[in-house]
Amino acid sequence: AQSVTQLDSQVPVFEEAPVELRCNYSSSVSVYLFWYVQYPNQGLQLLLKYLSGSTLVKGINGFEAEFNKSQTSFHLRKPSVHISDTAEYFCAVTPSGAGSYQLTFGKGTKLSVIP
Amino acid sequence: EPEVTQTPSHQVTQMGQEVILRCVPISNHLYFYWYRQILGQKVEFLVSFYNNEISEKSEIFDDQFSVERPDGSNFTLKIRSTKLEDSAMYFCASRTSGSLYNEQFFGPGTRLTVL
Repeated sequence: AQSVTQLDSQVPVFEEAPVELRCNYSSSVSVYLFWYVQYPNQGLQLLLKYLSGSTLVKGINGFEAEFNKSQTSFHLRKPSVHISDTAEYFCAVTPSGAGSYQLTFGKGTKLSVIP
Repeated sequence: EPEVTQTPSHQVTQMGQEVILRCVPISNHLYFYWYRQILGQKVEFLVSFYNNEISEKSEIFDDQFSVERPDGSNFTLKIRSTKLEDSAMYFCASRTSGSLYNEQFFGPGTRLTVL
């Protein structure tokens, strides 16, 4: 079984400041890792994913994340946030072997960008 | 751009009543999912569906729940006798099939309120 921990439930940050949203996972098997974003009254949208290869992955809207296997982490970063980045962000994992690829999510981090 | 749609956006029901939540996955997708998110908690996997049968289900998905693909476009989640604790946001997702991972696309969700 897998589990995902997002330590910060809320992160306020000033506009144009950098931000890091933390994600740690636990799994007995290899996993794929994801960050999803949820804007108010909308569904979950994939920001970025790590399947294999380079541990630094870039996603949409200027976000990037780094996979650290030894620390079992997949932290999300953005060097300069905008008001439009205000949303809830979810880290998720799925076993990398063949299967239904069901996702296990963290509790989410609400990012509030302050003008 | 193709998207997953869900109806209704909000459903209010009395405890003990049956509800059916509807989803229209992306047309060429073959794998379908239901997830739920109780207010303030993490998004949880309920069930995955492929080739007209359940491929995986979680402990939450007990005998009160069922899924169906009644025609070529809809994918439904039925809760036979709703409980107060079924109040949650229910998300449908779909993806193309294949042994390699491909992205799950999420719908906007149905908010179920059980009174």
